[in-house]
Amino acid sequence: GESVGLHLPTLSVQEGDNSIINCAYSNSASDYFIWYKQESGKGPQFIIDIRSNMDKRQGQRVTVLLNKTVKHLSLQIAATQPGDSAVYFCAPTVGGYQKVTFGTGTKLQVIP
Amino acid sequence: ETGVTQSPTHLIKTRGQQVTLRCSSQSGHNTVSWYQQALGQGPQFIFQYYREEENGRGNFPPRFSGLQFPNYSSELNVNALELDDSALYLCATRVDRGSDTQYFGPGTRLTVL
Repeated sequence: GESVGLHLPTLSVQEGDNSIINCAYSNSASDYFIWYKQESGKGPQFIIDIRSNMDKRQGQRVTVLLNKTVKHLSLQIAATQPGDSAVYFCAPTVGGYQKVTFGTGTKLQVIP
Repeated sequence: ETGVTQSPTHLIKTRGQQVTLRCSSQSGHNTVSWYQQALGQGPQFIFQYYREEENGRGNFPPRFSGLQFPNYSSELNVNALELDDSALYLCATRVDRGSDTQYFGPGTRLTVL
């Protein structure tokens, strides 16, 4: 079955610095990838997505990079703010929607 | 706010009991998925309902079952509760099963003693 792992379970960054959260996945059939943010006591919140026919996508302060060759994606957060403190999950999917597989998550701690 | 609500917020049950968790979504969201999130883990897909029928299931036993109603609300039922069922249960809705974007509710925290 699908295995999804994150390289760093906890990431601490200084406020204003850039953050990079990495994710490795194993299913080469994954064709759609989502990053979620989960704050304490809340459900996951959609941040940004990317399809397998792209290798980069930018949003507001966030960028997702996809390397299908090594089955790796990353989430870059520019000018990290205290409100970015949360657990971040990558979620590769096959077929776009039916079964979403979440990794363990990376906890981002922003130091004021 | 996602427009997705879940009830109850917290629940305590004992082993062997049955539990029903509820989810209400925005009008027009005809697809709902349920997830189990153990402490310190990512959500695990339980199943998905589309127009009141199950159309996808993860690796969960049959004692996990669901219902979806015409008013877009849904239920997750768990029979014969086990200690390992203690988790946060999340529902997530989509405008349509072909839509990529899921809207998650805040979850129900279930504790099995």
